[in-house]
Amino acid sequence: AQTVTQSQPEMSVQEAETVTLSCTYDTSESDYYLFWYKQPPSRQMILVIRQEAYKQQNATENRFSVNFQKAAKSFSLKISDSQLGDAAMYFCAYRSGGVTGSNYKLTFGKGTLLTVNP
Amino acid sequence: DVKVTQSSRYLVKRTGEKVFLECVQDMDHENMFWYRQDPGLGLRLIYFSYDVKMKEKGDIPEGYSVSREKKERFSLILESASTNQTSMYLCASSLTGGSDEQYFGPGTRLTVT
Repeated sequence: AQTVTQSQPEMSVQEAETVTLSCTYDTSESDYYLFWYKQPPSRQMILVIRQEAYKQQNATENRFSVNFQKAAKSFSLKISDSQLGDAAMYFCAYRSGGVTGSNYKLTFGKGTLLTVNP
Repeated sequence: DVKVTQSSRYLVKRTGEKVFLECVQDMDHENMFWYRQDPGLGLRLIYFSYDVKMKEKGDIPEGYSVSREKKERFSLILESASTNQTSMYLCASSLTGGSDEQYFGPGTRLTVT
């Protein structure tokens, strides 16, 4: 079974600075997908960024980017120019690349609570 | 916009009651999921469904059952609620797998007393 580990229960960053959230995963599969989700306080979980394992290029979405190291099974999230609205719980998630329905589930890490200080 | 709605934001039930949590999505998604979120434990998958009337156990199915009679609706059932089922319950849906995003509902905070 796949596991996802987020080693930082809490992180803090000053507004306008950069922060990196860590995620490692364990899998024997070669085809899979990785995600970062954000859960703001009392608000719905939303997708921040996704990465296909077969792509060598790291995904970017505006101020959010990932450092995907397939051999090391590492998938960190970098938030540049942090804003107060970035304060949230961030979850790393893994999905198998299998094409049957049972492979469509996500396995989540335990989350990292990010505080942004003004 | 995809919308996933859950029947209640807050729910208080007594031990032993039968509890129904309802989830509805409006984007014709094939897959629907129920998660439980607890502090320090992240999200844990209870059950999911990849087709109408199809269901598959997740990581923590004990004490729960599900029903999916229509594509847009996925219900989580606590047959006899217990205090250790006090938690935040999140529903999600996705079109298929791969890199497809899962869309989440706002959550139901269930307290069992």
